Amino acid sequence: DVKVTQSSRYLVKRTGEKVFLECVQDMDHENMFWYRQDPGLGLRLIYFSYDVKMKEKGDIPEGYSVSREKKERFSLILESASTNQTSMYLCASTPWSATNEKLFFGSGTQLSVL
Amino acid sequence: EDKVVQSPLSLVVHEGDTVTLNCSYEVTNFRSLLWYKQEKKAPTFLFMLTSSGIEKKSGRLSSILDKKELFSILNITATQTGDSAIYLCASPGAGSYQLTFGKGTKLSVIP
Repeated sequence: DVKVTQSSRYLVKRTGEKVFLECVQDMDHENMFWYRQDPGLGLRLIYFSYDVKMKEKGDIPEGYSVSREKKERFSLILESASTNQTSMYLCASTPWSATNEKLFFGSGTQLSVL
Repeated sequence: EDKVVQSPLSLVVHEGDTVTLNCSYEVTNFRSLLWYKQEKKAPTFLFMLTSSGIEKKSGRLSSILDKKELFSILNITATQTGDSAIYLCASPGAGSYQLTFGKGTKLSVIP
């Protein structure tokens, strides 16, 4: 089974801190994604990457950056955390072929910014 | 802009009831529609639908796609408390790697 692992289940940070959220997948998938999920707003795409060192902005990239130095690892960086970034963050990966657009999700990181 | 709209946003039913969750979509160059179940942790994949009128079934869950009317339904028969979850519907965007998600339907099944 595909495993997508997020490094922290719960995280509490202070306003202005630099925050790193790590995600690792073990299935050699080309494509990796970061979503945030908020009540009433659903899942919104922050950034995605379709190859090592490649990244594309999603719908809400402001205040975030990403890093993909190795195929299996995709990091989300909050340069200066703010309270409106308190949210559930979900990482996902997919091989994304013409016949398989299924995303595999990690367990999520609930981030609270105080 | 691609859109996926789910209804209702929340639903409370008693064990044993049958429920129908709705998902309508407006997606350029439609390829597929996916259903996920999210309990406390990661969304888990339920179904991927690509062809109109063909029902996909897994135990008490089933789903069907209508490409003419641009919607899909997810049916759950004989609901159990373990079916309580957020059900997400999504479709890939035109020419991109993104999935556009609906806001989800929160289903609560009470004993």
